[in-house]
Amino acid sequence: AQSVTQPDIHITVSEGASLELRCNYSYGATPYLFWYVQSPGQGLQLLLKYFSGDTLVQGIKGFEAEFKRSQSSFNLRKPSVHWSDAAEYFCAVVPIRSGGSYIPTFGRGTSLIVHP
Amino acid sequence: EAGVVQSPRYKIIEKKQPVAFWCNPISGHNTLYWYRQNLGQGPELLIRYENEEAVDDSQLPKDRFSAERLKGVDSTLKIQPAELGDSAVYLCASSFRAGGRGETQYFGPGTRLLVL
Repeated sequence: AQSVTQPDIHITVSEGASLELRCNYSYGATPYLFWYVQSPGQGLQLLLKYFSGDTLVQGIKGFEAEFKRSQSSFNLRKPSVHWSDAAEYFCAVVPIRSGGSYIPTFGRGTSLIVHP
Repeated sequence: EAGVVQSPRYKIIEKKQPVAFWCNPISGHNTLYWYRQNLGQGPELLIRYENEEAVDDSQLPKDRFSAERLKGVDSTLKIQPAELGDSAVYLCASSFRAGGRGETQYFGPGTRLLVL
C-alpha cells in the first residue's frame, strides 16, 4: 500500500522568507502527486498536481513543487511567503492503476506559521 | 459558480445517537467523495461515488456508516449509532469526470462532529 510522509508537523517562517515543505511517498511506481492547502475552518484547496513530464510544477498563489523520482519526493516551495499563506498543507498521492478503483492517500499535514 | 455545500457545519451529539451529513456537489460534477479527517491528520477516504454508483467504499465502516447518492447529485452520509471515536471533520468533495484519477477535487468546508 502507498504511504505519504510529511516529516515536519510545524514550520515557522518570517514573512518574505522562502519556504520548502517536504513530502516523501512510498509506492511501487510514480503515482499522481498533489499538494493541497487548508485554511482554518475551510475545506482543502488544490495548489498543484503532477502526473508526468516536467518535474517542476507551477501552481496557484506562487507555489511550485519539484518531483524527484530518485528520492521519492515532491517538495513544495515558495520564494517569498505572505502572512496569508499561514495554513495547513497536505501532500497526497493517487496510485496509477489502469481501470478499477483507487484510494487517495494524504499525509498528516504540515502547519505553516508565518511571523510578521 | 457555487462550491461544494455541506450541512450542518457543526454537530454535537451523544454517543449511540444517529447523525446525518448532507452534501451538494458542484453542478455537473459526476464524482463525489466523502472523507473523514481526524484531528491532526490528513483526510481519509470513506467512499467515492461515480454518478449513482458507490465505488471505493472499502474504508467505510459498514456496520455503522451508510451513504447514498440519489439521482447522482446530492449525497447523505449517516452514522448509526455514533461512537466517541467518530468525532472528526467529515469532508465532502466533488470532481468533474467519473473515473479520473488525476481529477481536481473541490472540497466543501466540512461538518465538524463531536460525540459526547
